[in-house]
Amino acid sequence: GAVVSQHPSRVICKSGTSVKIECRSLDFQATTMFWYRQFPKQSLMLMATSNEGSKATYEQGVEKDKFLINHASLTLSTLTVTSAHPEDSSFYICSALKLAKNIQYFGAGTRLSVL
Amino acid sequence: GENVEQHPSTLSVQEGDSAVIKCTYSDSASNYFPWYKQELGKRPQLIIDIRSNVGEKKDQRIAVTLNKTAKHFSLHITETQPEDSAVYFCAASAPGAGGYQKVTFGTGTKLQVIP
Repeated sequence: GAVVSQHPSRVICKSGTSVKIECRSLDFQATTMFWYRQFPKQSLMLMATSNEGSKATYEQGVEKDKFLINHASLTLSTLTVTSAHPEDSSFYICSALKLAKNIQYFGAGTRLSVL
Repeated sequence: GENVEQHPSTLSVQEGDSAVIKCTYSDSASNYFPWYKQELGKRPQLIIDIRSNVGEKKDQRIAVTLNKTAKHFSLHITETQPEDSAVYFCAASAPGAGGYQKVTFGTGTKLQVIP
């Protein structure tokens, strides 16, 4: 398998603050990483595709100015939730694409609670 | 875009019985179909996958079948055990605009194995 680390695992913040979530592929290089959002008892919804060295591709309905994605290296992508509000509270999961096998490996997820 | 439907949404079986989860997809370009198991609050874990050039794949108690003509694929778990209890997601992967594979998840099936 492959290891993807996501940090932090849990964040509690006040409304209006920004939160940064990191996703790292520990033992392989990932030119492509994905960010998902998962509401309780629901499926994973793709928010955006993060490509190393270029702008992220956002899914329809996802505000790119709200969810800033940076993929500055082959092993790190970050998602910043700007000016978080209670409705942004959710479980955010990243995945990294291992190109050789064309398989996505998931991080452990970040549970964001905005008060 | 791709639409992946998954049934049933919940499934209860007695320990030792078999469980079957079915998915359909809409994009004929989809060529890779992974299945993920997600325990509460944890990351999705890849349990088995199948590529479009194969009709069936088996790994111990887990098997997956694919019917490309009908655009449906199924997960079969035999001799179920309580530790199989989790939410299972099917997914369909197709080439995306950026040259990477875009994965669309099904809505999930909550499997409960009753001891």
